[in-house]
Parts: sequence; structure tokens; C-alpha cells
Amino acid sequence: DQQVKQNSPSLSVQEGRISILNCDYTNSMFDYFLWYKKYPAEGPTFLISISSIKDKNEDGRFTVFLNKSAKHLSLHIVPSQPGDSAVYFCAYTRDDKIIFGKGTRLHILP
Amino acid sequence: DAGVIQSPRHEVTEMGQEVTLRCKPISGHDYLFWYRQTMMRGLELLIYFNNNVPIDDSGMPEDRFSAKMPNASFSTLKIQPSEPRDSAVYFCASSPGPFNEQFFGPGTRLTVL
Repeated sequence: DQQVKQNSPSLSVQEGRISILNCDYTNSMFDYFLWYKKYPAEGPTFLISISSIKDKNEDGRFTVFLNKSAKHLSLHIVPSQPGDSAVYFCAYTRDDKIIFGKGTRLHILP
Repeated sequence: DAGVIQSPRHEVTEMGQEVTLRCKPISGHDYLFWYRQTMMRGLELLIYFNNNVPIDDSGMPEDRFSAKMPNASFSTLKIQPSEPRDSAVYFCASSPGPFNEQFFGPGTRLTVL
């Protein structure tokens, strides 16, 4: 049973446009949601997080939105840049657990 | 700081052999995590340590897998005997808090023939 679902395995976006990465979850109890970015042959790197008591968190070009009623999380990247091409993982933490989604591969097109 | 260091970067072995993966966390980080990444299952947490003590090993797939952290600067993940289905990329990560921002190593790509 997938507790964190990233339903789009891949996404292509034109450079300069907005990239929207989505994540759905099944469990209502969590502490934080986190987004990690991964380049080939490297480990994931932390991007941005949001706590369960917030509905938005912004850091530069990256904004995460949390819709608790829909159990939906999204990451917006504006404007998209070539270096944003990577695999993006969402994850949530609860008590002593961390659960990752399977990832979405983002391609930024020139 | 050099970041989280993992060795080897690549390991090819034959079914039935013992495999040992190594990790050096970032100095001062109290938490160390072992993950496995596969196409089918994505990124799975196998086990994590706090101050060298295993806290949650519920993600360890079976008894063939074991992990140790003999001191604050070193951890191993051992698979004995290895099987082809263990082929994956294994990541080690460390962090100052339980689920704060984690710092991942570059991973070990394991291939079991």
C-alpha cells in the first residue's frame, strides 16, 4: 500500500515556465512533508519542507502547497531552469517514520 | 566537511556472496539512515540509528540484512548471503535531528549476478 503517491513518473516543462510536481498521501497524521531533488549518480538533496500546520511554504523559486482536505501536496518551481532537470521525491515524516514516494522525473526543455 | 562518504561506489558480486557497504556520516550528526532505491519500490528506509543505537529496523527486508554502527563515524550494512533481487542503489544519510534535513551520500550501486 503506497502511503505517498507521485502519480506522474515524468514531466516535461519549457524553460522559464512553471513546473508543478504533485504528491498525494493516504495518512492524515504527519509532522512534515519534505521534497528532495536527485541528480543521476548522486544522492538526494533536501529542497524544501512544510509542517502539518501550514498550507504554504516558499523559498526562492520553490513553493510548496499543502491541501490537507484533499490530502494533496504540490511543489511549484517558477521560473523553471535547466538545472532543475532531476528526479523529485516527496516524503512525509510521522513519529519515527519517514515515507518516500517513488519520484517524478522533471525534464526542462530549452 | 566532505559530506557523507560511502564505499564502495559500485559493487558487483555473485549470488550467495557476502556484501558489506560502508558509510561515514557527517561529523556531529546524531542520526544515520540506510536506504535502498529500486525502480519498483522507490526509496525505502531500511534502518536508522540515533547515537549509534538502532532505533527502527522495521524496513530491513529479511534476516539476510544486518546493520551496525560501532562508533559515531562509521556504519556498515551487510547482506549475507546476497541474492539477485538485492540489486539496487543503497544510500546512507545523516542528520542532526530525527527527520530534519538529511544529507545523503552518493550511494553504492550493488549488482548481484
